[in-house]
Amino acid sequence: EPEVTQTPSHQVTQMGQEVILRCVPISNHLYFYWYRQILGQKVEFLVSFYNNEISEKSEIFDDQFSVERPDGSNFTLKIRSTKLEDSAMYFCASSEDGQGWEQYFGPGTRLTVT
Amino acid sequence: EDQVTQSPEALRLQEGESSSLNCSYTVSGLRGLFWYRQDPGKGPEFLFTLYSAGEEKEKERLKATLTKKESFLHITAPKPEDSATYLCAVYNNAGNMLTFGGGTRLMVKP
Repeated sequence: EPEVTQTPSHQVTQMGQEVILRCVPISNHLYFYWYRQILGQKVEFLVSFYNNEISEKSEIFDDQFSVERPDGSNFTLKIRSTKLEDSAMYFCASSEDGQGWEQYFGPGTRLTVT
Repeated sequence: EDQVTQSPEALRLQEGESSSLNCSYTVSGLRGLFWYRQDPGKGPEFLFTLYSAGEEKEKERLKATLTKKESFLHITAPKPEDSATYLCAVYNNAGNMLTFGGGTRLMVKP
């Protein structure tokens, strides 16, 4: 069964450093997303991406964040200068279509900023 | 602003003891309501999509229902392996994102 994969599973970084989280969405899916979940809190939307551009982003997704689809399979989230409050699980998701189609989530990357 | 509230926050059941989880929502034009299961340290696993009031979906011991203001996830004769956090999320007509509730942590004891 096709699945979303994410690497690394755990990333530890120092405050102020740049990190890149990687995702391989399901191959025939056209919409890609990043969500985050701070420990003990709700899953929160960050950004959606379609046709090589951002289609929607939340208030959390400020200038420190960027997304890219560098090739036909990978989808990345970059945090330019990490802060302590960026520590969270980051989930990538993909869907066949937008607006109402089910999103399939990856296993997540646990980001720890020290 | 879309809001999703789940209750209870935690639920302890004995194996075989049926119960229901609630998801109340306020959304500007519901396009879809989704149920996910999340195991500790893992990503949400898709269970059901419901699109209109009166709709029902079933999968093994789980049954999801939808009204205009809330959704229920009914668990019939649960087993210990059903222990997980169950998440409810909504899509509205305007956005291309899911808004999640806080989840119900279900613990089923043998």
